[in-house]
Amino acid sequence: DVKVTQSSRYLVKRTGEKVFLECVQDMDHENMFWYRQDPGLGLRLIYFSYDVKMKEKGDIPEGYSVSREKKERFSLILESASTNQTSMYLCASKEGSSPLHFGNGTRLTVT
Amino acid sequence: RKEVEQDPGPFNVPEGATVAFNCTYSNSASQSFFWYRQDCRKEPKLLMSVYSSGNEDGRFTAQLNRASQYISLLIRDSKLSDSATYLCVVNPSIGSARQLTFGSGTQLTVLP
Repeated sequence: DVKVTQSSRYLVKRTGEKVFLECVQDMDHENMFWYRQDPGLGLRLIYFSYDVKMKEKGDIPEGYSVSREKKERFSLILESASTNQTSMYLCASKEGSSPLHFGNGTRLTVT
Repeated sequence: RKEVEQDPGPFNVPEGATVAFNCTYSNSASQSFFWYRQDCRKEPKLLMSVYSSGNEDGRFTAQLNRASQYISLLIRDSKLSDSATYLCVVNPSIGSARQLTFGSGTQLTVLP
């Protein structure tokens, strides 16, 4: 079974803090993704990576950056957290046309 | 028109009922299709892939209609534990992983 692990289930941060969300997958997948999910807006792609050190902007990259130094790890960085970044963050990985496998999510609250 | 549209829901059905959801997609070149289940405040989990010939997994049946560009999910003999939000996911092309498109989800509540 594919396992995608996000480092934190719940995080509370203050406005202006730098926030790191970590994601690790154990299936040697090429592709990794960061989404956020908000009520009424569904899942929105922030960034994705198709290989080590490769990244591509998704639909809502503003205010975020990512890092993929190793194939199994994909980090999402909020350089200066803002209250409108309060959300559920979901990491996922996949290979080719296989289904997405999601991590268990990080619920981030920015106060 | 949205790329992927789902029945808005919510669907409230009694235990034992049969319920069906549809999901339409706009890109006729779409290659692969999936149904996910998402419980409240949890991550989406793969329920089943959707194959061209249709496929069944226990009480769940998924079908693809390429001519009309929709996929469907049928749940027979609904259980209380089937209560969740069901998301359809469409992969428009083999080449780009980025273009996975999600429906907004259909909420199902199975009532005792």
